[in-house]
Amino acid sequence: EVQLVESGGGLVQPGGSLRLSCAASGFTFSAHFMDWVRQAPGKGLEWVGRVRDSRNTYTTEYAASVRGRFTISRDDSKNSLYLQMNSLKTEDTAVYYCVRPYYYGSGSHYFYFDYWGQGTLVTVSS
Amino acid sequence: DIQVTQSPSSLSASLGDTVTITCRASQDISNYLTWYQQRPGKVPRLLIYAASSLQSGVPSRFSGSGSGTDFTLTISSLQPEDSATYYCQQAYSLPLTFGQGTRLEIK
Repeated sequence: EVQLVESGGGLVQPGGSLRLSCAASGFTFSAHFMDWVRQAPGKGLEWVGRVRDSRNTYTTEYAASVRGRFTISRDDSKNSLYLQMNSLKTEDTAVYYCVRPYYYGSGSHYFYFDYWGQGTLVTVSS
Repeated sequence: DIQVTQSPSSLSASLGDTVTITCRASQDISNYLTWYQQRPGKVPRLLIYAASSLQSGVPSRFSGSGSGTDFTLTISSLQPEDSATYYCQQAYSLPLTFGQGTRLEIK
C-alpha cells in the first residue's frame, strides 16, 4: 500500500525557516518524481514544486511564489522527500501535501497526482 | 503561466440531478487536464485524467470532456457523497496550475 506521511509542520515567525519531510513507502520511491502542493486555510490548491528522479539528475522546479526561498530535495536511500522553507511569509500559511505524480505515458504531459499525503500544517505568524 | 478558470465557484443541486462544472485554460492544453474531488477535511482524490479518462474505482456517473481550452466535468445522478469541492488542473506545462475550485452542495 502506497503511503506518504508528512511531518515537520508547526508555528513559525515571519522570516523564519522550517523543514518538512515526507516518508514514502509501498512503491519504488527512487523511480518517481515527487511534488509538493499546498492549500491555504479555506482556499484552493497551489502547486509548490517538483524534484525529478536520479535519471533526470534530481532537477527541481518551483512556483514563482516560492522560488528562491524554498528548496525541494530527496534522499532515495531513506525514501524521503524534503521541503526546506526559508524567509517564510504569512501567505505561506497552508497545509503542505507531499504528492506523487504518476506517469501513464511517455512525455511530460502524461501524468496525474495519484497519491497524496495527509498534509502537515505550517502556520507563519508572529 | 497557464491560467485555469473554473465556473461556477459554487452550486447547489438535488439528489439525482446532473451538474456540469466548466474549466477554461488560458491557452491550448490539448487534453492534458485532470479533475480532483476534495471532500471536507479530506485529501484530494483523482477523478479524471487526460480530460476524459475515468480513474479506476471512480463511479461511472462522473465524466469529463473537452479539448484545447474548454473542458467540462459532469456528475449525473447526484449522491450525498458527491458533496465536495472539485478542482481542475492543467498538466500541459510547469508551473502546474489548478482552477480555483467549485463547491458542490447537495440539497
